[in-house]
Amino acid sequence: EVQLVESGGGLVQPGGSLRLSCAASGFNFRSYEMNWVRQTPGKGLEWVAYISHIDGSTFYADSVKGRFTISRDNAKSSLFLQMNSLRAEDAGLYYCARDVPWNVWGHGTLVTVSS
Amino acid sequence: VMTQSPATLSVSPGERATLSCRASQSVSRNLAWYQQRPGQAPRLLVYGASTRATGVPPRFSGSGSGTEFTLTISSLQSEDFAVYYCQQYYNWPPQYTFGQGTQLEIK
Repeated sequence: EVQLVESGGGLVQPGGSLRLSCAASGFNFRSYEMNWVRQTPGKGLEWVAYISHIDGSTFYADSVKGRFTISRDNAKSSLFLQMNSLRAEDAGLYYCARDVPWNVWGHGTLVTVSS
Repeated sequence: VMTQSPATLSVSPGERATLSCRASQSVSRNLAWYQQRPGQAPRLLVYGASTRATGVPPRFSGSGSGTEFTLTISSLQSEDFAVYYCQQYYNWPPQYTFGQGTQLEIK
């Protein structure tokens, strides 16, 4: 079964950091481009970051550029999102998603930013 | 910017629902529709403006190109009442954007 399972969410203070992980199974992870997408009360669904399966190139939404870093470990079939300098508006449910457009989604991991 | 209308649509089971999505500039046919039920992740319904994703029933159909798109659901079933989002994936480098969603509710 094709599956994506996110983890690493939690409560963090403004200005703090979190590292999200996404474990992939049931498919050849190294053959797929991957994304992080979030759902927040303020903006609804928002694409956050993309990483290529071909050359590892990365792209970010303007709202997170310079603060978030997407990476992948093909040997471990894992996707990561390092989030620094977190703000209240970054709070929400973070999904990893496969392909473009996104055909496979995880169930999400919740990030709360509050003092 | 992707704009969906209406924000809420009330339709009776068995009837047809028509949802609209407008792009602020042409996205060609690089347009997808997603369904999101409460407590679940979004599910891809349509991509390429009109191609149904694997396993999506034929009562779902997408149309349009450029800036105007439509998702039609014929003969609504109880499980179809959910929120629907359109999303463009035309831009490169990627700056993928979603519409704000249409809540399809039971009339």
